[in-house]
Amino acid sequence: ELKVEQNPLFLSMQEGKNYTIYCNYSTTSDRLYWYRQDPGKSLESLFVLLSNGAVKQEGRLMASLDTKARLSTLHITAAVHDLSATYFCAVGLPDPGANSKLTFGKGITLSVRP
Amino acid sequence: EPEVTQTPSHQVTQMGQEVILRCVPISNHLYFYWYRQILGQKVEFLVSFYNNEISEKSEIFDDQFSVERPDGSNFTLKIRSTKLEDSAMYFCASSVNTGSYSNQPQHFGDGTRLSIL
Repeated sequence: ELKVEQNPLFLSMQEGKNYTIYCNYSTTSDRLYWYRQDPGKSLESLFVLLSNGAVKQEGRLMASLDTKARLSTLHITAAVHDLSATYFCAVGLPDPGANSKLTFGKGITLSVRP
Repeated sequence: EPEVTQTPSHQVTQMGQEVILRCVPISNHLYFYWYRQILGQKVEFLVSFYNNEISEKSEIFDDQFSVERPDGSNFTLKIRSTKLEDSAMYFCASSVNTGSYSNQPQHFGDGTRLSIL
């Protein structure tokens, strides 16, 4: 059974500082997704990471994937209040040609304070 | 930008009653999903649907649950006899393609908050 773990589960960040959050998963996967969720809202896709060493950046967020270590990191540069949200990573099992479910981690709630 | 739409946004139902949650996936998407999120917990997969049939379902998706694509645009989740523990946010999602090396995410709707009394 695929398990996805995120840590920490809650992170209080100071504005302007850099932080890294982590997502570990238990079995081989070729697809990892990062989603953002604001309270009471839907999940917004941030990144799709498909291969070992993949790195994607959008604004102050940079995500990377190490398939050998089964680890993805989300790096936050110079945190701002707008980044306060819950961030989920989700992993799909290798399944060529078929649609397959995503297994989500518990999410990391980020709170940026002045 | 096209989006997944879900109705209603909030449904309150008495225990034991049937409920139907509705979704309109993005029009050129071929793969459809239902997930649920109990308050404060992680998002859990319920079922995936492709080519008018269920592709995969989780242990949560028991005989009380069913899905249907009654026409070319709607995708519904029915719970036949609701239980208190069915209270959750239910998300519909759709994707263009999926599987290995799919570079497209699943796009999620805003969800339906189901409250069972």
